[in-house]
Amino acid sequence: QSVLTQPPSVSGAPGQRVTISCTGSSSNIGTGYDVQWYQQLPGAAPKLLIYAFTNRPSGVPDRFSGSKSDTSASLAITGLQAEDEADYYCQSYDNSVNGVVFGGGTKLSVL
Amino acid sequence: QLRLQESGPGLVKPSETLSLTCTVSGGSITGSTYYWGWIRQPPGEGLEWIGSIYYSGNVYQNSSLKSRATISVDTSRNQFSLRLTSVTAADTAVYYCAREITVTGGRDYWGQGTLVTVSS
Repeated sequence: QSVLTQPPSVSGAPGQRVTISCTGSSSNIGTGYDVQWYQQLPGAAPKLLIYAFTNRPSGVPDRFSGSKSDTSASLAITGLQAEDEADYYCQSYDNSVNGVVFGGGTKLSVL
Repeated sequence: QLRLQESGPGLVKPSETLSLTCTVSGGSITGSTYYWGWIRQPPGEGLEWIGSIYYSGNVYQNSSLKSRATISVDTSRNQFSLRLTSVTAADTAVYYCAREITVTGGRDYWGQGTLVTVSS
């Protein structure tokens, strides 16, 4: 059971907007630790999409955006494309386990 | 362009020690304030943080591994390493090394990963 909870799967049609939630608690997101989002294409290493809740590394399209609300965070993808089909993970730090924690991952299907 | 490459045996016997090295090229492991870390992913499962190290030797580790894991750094070779003792089949995973903006923050450069199978 992951400290950060993500939906196992989400789906959307090309061009649509989807969101992926990451629910934490007062010992991680709620206490102010940053949330990062990663995209993992099949057979590849994870790629950093969003850091510190809302920041995009250079080269990441602005179709990807992050937000925070209390003890949760969300990743939004607009203008869905077939190439967005991948697994997405959120990551933060938790002071009850004193370590870095990942969400269980969400599989995005582009219909 | 920074590049990280994992190396080590792909097959380890149960109860033995898993040893992996991450070689960093295109930049210095002592540069700036970055940490360097290990993350693993069992087949078909999610990501698990193993631990992180600063070039000075300061280490953060996942307590769930119960001290089986040791992370070290060799600045002269621009490498850092992972040793995991008393391995079982549950340690079978793809092991990734990564550069960390901060321990609590993002991992912005990743190696391609290396599959380690624990089996007799």
